[in-house]
Amino acid sequence: AQSVSQHNHHVILSEAASLELGCNYSYGGTVNLFWYVQYPGQHLQLLLKYFSGDPLVKGIKGFEAEFIKSKFSFNLRKPSVQWSDTAEYFCAVNVWGSQGNLIFGKGTKLSVKP
Amino acid sequence: DADVTQTPRNRITKTGKRIMLECSQTKGHDRMYWYRQDPGLGLRLIYYSFDVKDINKGEISDGYSVSRQAQAKFSLSLESAIPNQTALYFCATSDSTNTGELFFGEGSRLTVL
Repeated sequence: AQSVSQHNHHVILSEAASLELGCNYSYGGTVNLFWYVQYPGQHLQLLLKYFSGDPLVKGIKGFEAEFIKSKFSFNLRKPSVQWSDTAEYFCAVNVWGSQGNLIFGKGTKLSVKP
Repeated sequence: DADVTQTPRNRITKTGKRIMLECSQTKGHDRMYWYRQDPGLGLRLIYYSFDVKDINKGEISDGYSVSRQAQAKFSLSLESAIPNQTALYFCATSDSTNTGELFFGEGSRLTVL
């Protein structure tokens, strides 16, 4: 069965530190990839997505992610985090031909200290 | 107003009670989903529907049922709630292009005592 792994359960950073959250998936075919963010007490919002083309994808609020097909990875990055980035981040994968159902990772909680 | 609306937003109930969570959407999407979120477990799919007459079980459908009353409405029922169904429940929608992109409601927090 397809699965999505997020390596870190909880990451704690100081403001202005750089961020990289890992995401790996276990399917060898064509995929669509997503990062969703959930701010405290809120619903999930789309941060960025990759369908095809340039493997470096830029999202909202200065986030970016790089799709590395050979590594089955889609890591999320931000050069300098802010306190307002404190949230839980979910990686998700859609396998082409799977009727569009997303498979979610278990999430990484990011805490940014002011 | 939110495109995907869930009611109630918070509910506390007792073991054995029947609970219904409702979801309505104004996005015009055909596909609707119910997910459950638990700390450390991420989101798990309970049921999904691609059309009014289409209902499909997800990863964790036991103990739940759904009804797709109209294109815009998708309700989740717990016939006899139990404490391990205490969780945050999200409704989501998507269009029919199979990209997988979901649009989420604001969540319904259910506590079963």
